[in-house]
Order: sequence, then C-alpha cells, then structure tokens
Amino acid sequence: DAGVIQSPRHEVTEMGQEVTLRCKPISGHDYLFWYRQTMMRGLELLIYFNNNVPIDDSGMPEDRFSAKMPNASFSTLKIQPSEPRDSAVYFCASTVRVDTQYFGPGTRLTVL
Amino acid sequence: QKEVEQDPGPLSVPEGAIVSLNCTYSNSAFQYFMWYRQYSRKGPELLMYTYSSGNKEDGRFTAQVDKSSKYISLFIRDSQPSDSATYLCAMRYSSASKIIFGSGTRLSIRP
Repeated sequence: DAGVIQSPRHEVTEMGQEVTLRCKPISGHDYLFWYRQTMMRGLELLIYFNNNVPIDDSGMPEDRFSAKMPNASFSTLKIQPSEPRDSAVYFCASTVRVDTQYFGPGTRLTVL
Repeated sequence: QKEVEQDPGPLSVPEGAIVSLNCTYSNSAFQYFMWYRQYSRKGPELLMYTYSSGNKEDGRFTAQVDKSSKYISLFIRDSQPSDSATYLCAMRYSSASKIIFGSGTRLSIRP
C-alpha cells in the first residue's frame, strides 16, 4: 500500500492567493483527518470526516478555510485568501479505527 | 493552561542510554494515551497505545500511565541513533473523541 498521499509536498504562495491542498487516504479507510503543525501551536486537528461526511470542523480557524471530501479516495483543504500566519505543515491522516491514524508526509505551506 | 504539556527539549543522550520522555495533562477524563514518533520532514507514526493506567512494553519501548498524577512516560532502552526524532504524546477522552497532542520533545541520540 502506498500510504496516505498528499500533494503538493511544498507550496509557496503570496498573501491573498488561493491555496488547495490535496489528500488521497489509504484505500478502505473511512476516517480522514486534516491537521496543521506549527512550532508555536504544535499539531492541531482542523477537521475530520467519516464516510465522506464532515463530523467535527471546530478546529477550522476561520471562514477562509474549507475542506471537502467528494468521495472516499480524495479530499481537499482550501485556504482563500491565504495569509502569512497560515504558513505551517498540513497533514492528512486516515484510519479505519479512530485510535490508529496513519499520517501522510505533509504539505509545507509558505505564504509570503 | 494547555490540556497537555510536554517539554520541547531538545534532549541529547549517548547511544545505549535509557531515555525517559514525559507528559502531564490537566483533565482527568482522558482515558486513552498514545506516543507518536515523528522523523524530520515526515508525518507522525503511532508508536505506543495504552488504555487507562499501567504499563505497556513493546521491544525497547515502555509506555507508562499514572492517572492519579496525570502523568505519562515513554522509556526507550538501549537507545539507538535511529531513535533520533520528535516524540509526541497524545490522548483522548473516548475511543471516538479527537486526539489532543502534546507539542513534542525533540530527541537526539549521539553515536
């Protein structure tokens, strides 16, 4: 199995631009999580899905962030408009059991 | 006050030493406790998972939970340079609740 796949691995953009991060979970996994990791705040859960349905989006920082899961094999996290304080590593994770999450390699986002 | 506190380190020890990594937490409702290992430029991977109090051993790794003190530990015996990574403690209230992560301790094992 290829594991959780994220793209792009690195993204550099300018303030105000739209950013779309992509995730392909492990086949057969029915939970998908989006996390953000920074030095200051550590690893924070943004949103998670179960069977493609958003269950808890209380960690989404503000309306500029949105996430979708149109099918079991694909999810996106969109930031519009992006700001420098959004610079972080964004991880996607998936699982069949809520206790064991498999993380992707992350997308390192830099907003100038 | 953060729900989960973890010393960020860095912690540097010689190869072969016993390493002790710790976390404290404030909410006694936490029931499930985990340790994740994160290598540089990689995603975290689950290392140990325990429920409630007690010890759990897996090879060179031992996880310990003391709910009365709200304190969890990870011990690494015979540490190797390949153990150099950031270790994140994590916990949750129930099997269905979200995971709360500590900020991570950066560990370096000197050959």
